[in-house]
Amino acid sequence: EVHLVESGGGLVQPGGSLRLSCAASGFVFSDYWMSWVRQAPGKGLEWVANINQDGTKIHYVDSVKGRFTISRDNAKNSLDLQMNSLRAEDTAVYYCARKIADFWGQGTLVTVSS
Amino acid sequence: QSVLTQPPSVSAAPGQKVTISCSGSRSNIGINSVSWYQQLPGSAPRLLIHDNYQRPSGIPDRFSGSRSGTSATLDITGLQTGDEADYYCGTWDSSLSAYVFGPGTKVTVL
Repeated sequence: EVHLVESGGGLVQPGGSLRLSCAASGFVFSDYWMSWVRQAPGKGLEWVANINQDGTKIHYVDSVKGRFTISRDNAKNSLDLQMNSLRAEDTAVYYCARKIADFWGQGTLVTVSS
Repeated sequence: QSVLTQPPSVSAAPGQKVTISCSGSRSNIGINSVSWYQQLPGSAPRLLIHDNYQRPSGIPDRFSGSRSGTSATLDITGLQTGDEADYYCGTWDSSLSAYVFGPGTKVTVL
């Protein structure tokens, strides 16, 4: 059974940094593209970034380019999202997803506020 | 403003059918496959339809998808109270090199 568990969310001040992680199990992690998708409170879904199987192809939504970095460790079956220069508008539940997106984690809440 | 367009809400009585449209352009729906996602209140989204009309294992055949030109459609037949949720379409946009979601459609069972 595919299982994706996000961690690392919390409250951070504007301009601060946070690193999200996603632990994957139940499938061959290194065979799949992986993604991060976010959802601001009361709003719709927004794709954030994705990364290919060996980390050589990466895409970002324009609003996070230069601030967020997606990465993966296939040996540890883990996906990360390093978030720098955080803004209030980055406040959202962040979901880890296999591909885009046949399986989703339960999400981790990131709140950017002073 | 979303690249994809969906109606904000649709509704119907139990047992009836609802249709949700998703309108895009040549750079997204016109050349890339469409997926549909269901998000029940308080839950993570789940995949309902991929590759325009394919259902993942475990998704009832009451849910069906189609694509024509730059639009896609999700039909839900035999509507049930448990179908009350937000539904999103999504696809890759080749001009943006980004995945785009529609704004979502709230389905209400009357």
